[in-house]
Amino acid sequence: AQKITQTQPGMFVQEKEAVTLDCTYDTSDPSYGLFWYKQPSSGEMIFLIYQGSYDQQNATEGRYSLNFQKARKSANLVISASQLGDSAMYFCAMREAPGSARQLTFGSGTQLTVLP
Amino acid sequence: NAGVTQTPKFQVLKTGQSMTLQCAQDMNHEYMSWYRQDPGMGLRLIHYSVGAGITDQGEVPNGYNVSRSTTEDFPLRLLSAAPSQTSVYFCASSYDGTSHSPLHFGNGTRLTVT
Repeated sequence: AQKITQTQPGMFVQEKEAVTLDCTYDTSDPSYGLFWYKQPSSGEMIFLIYQGSYDQQNATEGRYSLNFQKARKSANLVISASQLGDSAMYFCAMREAPGSARQLTFGSGTQLTVLP
Repeated sequence: NAGVTQTPKFQVLKTGQSMTLQCAQDMNHEYMSWYRQDPGMGLRLIHYSVGAGITDQGEVPNGYNVSRSTTEDFPLRLLSAAPSQTSVYFCASSYDGTSHSPLHFGNGTRLTVT
């Protein structure tokens, strides 16, 4: 079974509007971290935001917020007031507690295009 | 404010050649790792290290070697390049290997094996 599922291969949003990128995950580990990364066309991987499994509040970082619904195993990224520079591939990822290779497991990504 | 530095950015190899991808971080991170990114396959872990002198295999280790003689450096060696190793390679580090520690990535190396 996929550990991280991103069901939206591509999304379009109008500049200045908000957009939600979906992510669901699967783990039996009670301790895990959820991360979102941005990969622009230049190729680098940029860390955006983190949510811990025990965190009571949704994480926020500037225009990014994470809508964490633990019972539904979802961790959707919300980008408010989209900008043209937000056009990129976005990856949801999970890191489980030590015992495995401590790796990040990535979803397949969502290509976001911001329209002027 | 260098973070994770990878070199080279681009490389073309002939089948059978060997080479080393360099990775250095200046954040005193314990955990370092190498991923490859292929279309339709996402990012897959090649090798990782939880500290100097300690390395282990990830998901796709065949054809690659690593060593970690210092905290800062984690080179990836391709022993005998094959076309299947054509990919984008990322080095990444984190403060430790716990679940709340984000990975910070280098800018990637685009490798083509002909």
